[in-house]
Amino acid sequence: DAGITQSPRHKVTETGTPVTLRCHQTENHRYMYWYRQDPGHGLRLIHYSYGVKDTDKGEVSDGYSVSRSKTEDFLLTLESATSSQTSVYFCAISDSSQETQYFGPGTRLLVL
Amino acid sequence: SQQGEEDPQALSIQEGENATMNCSYKTSINNLQWYRQNSGRGLVHLILIRSNEREKHSGRLRVTLDTSKKSSSLLITASRAADTASYFCATDAKSNTGKLIFGQGTTLQVKP
Repeated sequence: DAGITQSPRHKVTETGTPVTLRCHQTENHRYMYWYRQDPGHGLRLIHYSYGVKDTDKGEVSDGYSVSRSKTEDFLLTLESATSSQTSVYFCAISDSSQETQYFGPGTRLLVL
Repeated sequence: SQQGEEDPQALSIQEGENATMNCSYKTSINNLQWYRQNSGRGLVHLILIRSNEREKHSGRLRVTLDTSKKSSSLLITASRAADTASYFCATDAKSNTGKLIFGQGTTLQVKP
């Protein structure tokens, strides 16, 4: 998975609790992305980062925030998890060409 | 909204046969990419075709792009059981460079 790890790989949490997912890369790539994958919707972009402390919203950003304090780490936070945020979350990275994206193994999140 | 729509949603073939899957999109693009996802895993980049290219090959993969019809096809020749996976097209729109929009995918089953 191209030097990308995600943690945790699986998480069960309750509605209303905060959750933070971590993406860590060892490729020194500039761009990092968070997607969610749901049946019938494919992958949808939540947030992305184009550098340290530089982030922007994607297609489905409501209810999510991100932070990138170091090149190698991109954190996705659900401030108050809801059942509609049950999904599989993927992190991806790309270099300055912004062409090919390399994906992490994913995090399965279940919000009860 | 989804930029890429894929057809068929599911495809089942015998080992040795060819598999063709199609992708349609809506807006002008910089490039179109195909990714593979094995069950429970992250996406893996297969091939990228730029808007000024019409055909590209990589091993048993052949991708075509028709920008006038806003469509692409992925052909896998001499399929193997190991090709069983979901295949996604992703477009890099000129209006939103660097942020890929994924289709919902085609699930391919190759029977031994």
